[in-house]
Formats: sequence, structure tokens, C-alpha cells
Amino acid sequence: DTGVSQNPRHKITKRGQNVTFRCDPISEHNRLYWYRQTLGQGPEFLTYFQNEAQLEKSRLLSDRFSAERPKGSFSTLEIQRTEQGDSAMYLCASSFPVEYQETQYFGPGTRLLVL
Amino acid sequence: AQKVTQAQTEISVVEKEDVTLDCVYETRDTTYYLFWYKQPPSGELVFLIRRNSFDEQNEISGRYSWNFQKSTSSFNFTITASQVVDSAVYFCALSDLSGNTPLVFGKGTRLSVIA
Repeated sequence: DTGVSQNPRHKITKRGQNVTFRCDPISEHNRLYWYRQTLGQGPEFLTYFQNEAQLEKSRLLSDRFSAERPKGSFSTLEIQRTEQGDSAMYLCASSFPVEYQETQYFGPGTRLLVL
Repeated sequence: AQKVTQAQTEISVVEKEDVTLDCVYETRDTTYYLFWYKQPPSGELVFLIRRNSFDEQNEISGRYSWNFQKSTSSFNFTITASQVVDSAVYFCALSDLSGNTPLVFGKGTRLSVIA
């Protein structure tokens, strides 16, 4: 059973450009989460999906951020008009809750640097 | 609101020493989950343990042990006979039992084990 995968692993972009990250969850996991982690901090929640439905979005998710999970499998996170403050590690996690018991398994992350 | 505090920012120990990582949490929920994750230099968060608030039994897994004390809202993690491979950032996290809230992480404790 493969784990959560994320692509690309690293992305360097110039301010103002758009970027898109992909997350492939563990097969059969119906929940998919996006988190952002800046240096010296713990991950902070951005948004999550149950199947293809986006159920919650954090206030951290500005209008420049959009996430999709079109067929309830992989997900993409797009950042438009990137800013230097967007530089961070973007982590994806997936889970399959059973009777309220849930453990999120994380991917290796995409490290974004905005110049 | 939920909050996780890991007061120790960095800890350095010599190989074979025991080390305890502290975690204090705040929540208004009467039922909740607590987690520990390990983040090695590669960046991927590795799940270590999930504990629900019903179960205050301490747990031991090899060199790892966890002490959950509801009375002091703490969920501490001890590594016995530390090894260089234990060097990583360790995160404590909290979620409610409904499964409808994301993980809330502490800021992490960076553990360095010196040979």
C-alpha cells in the first residue's frame, strides 16, 4: 500500500506567478486535507475534502488559493498571484474515518519558495 | 478554541539518554483525540500514536512511551535510550472526536541526539 504522494516536491517561482500542487492520497481514503507549515511552526489547516466535497476552509485560505478534488481521488491546490509570504511547506494528508476514529497520514510535502 | 503548547523548542541529548517531550493542550470538548507525529529532516510527518480522551492508560511501544494525564491536560512523550535516528522535530496535535475538525498542532520540539 503506497502512502500519500505529493508533486512537485520543490517549487521555486517568482512573485506574481501561479503555482499548482498535486496530492495523491492513500487509495480508498475518502478524506483529504491540506496544511501549510512555515519555518519553526507546526502545520496549520487550510482545507479538507470528504470525497469530492470541500467541507471546510480556514481563514488562512485567501481568495488567491483554490483547491479541488474533482473525482474524489487526487487533489490540487492552486495559488494565484503568489506572494513572498506564501513561501512554506504545503502538506497533504489523507484518512478513512471509521466510527469517529480517524488518523491522518501525511505526504512528503511540497516546499514552495516565492522570490 | 483548541490549543496545543509544546514549551520545549529544542532539546539536545547524548545518545542512550532518556528524554521526555512535553505537550499541554486546551480544549472545551469533553471527548477528543491526541496525537504525536515525527518530522525527520526529509519533511514527511510520520504518525506515531493516537490516544482518545476516554483512555488514560499509558502506552509503551518499544523505546517510546506516552503518559496521558487528563487532570493536567498533558500528553507527554518519552524516548528511552535515545538514538541518533530519533533526531527530528516532534509534534503533538489535537482534534475533537466528531471527526469534523482538523488537527491542531503545537509548534513542535526539535530533538537532537548526539552520538
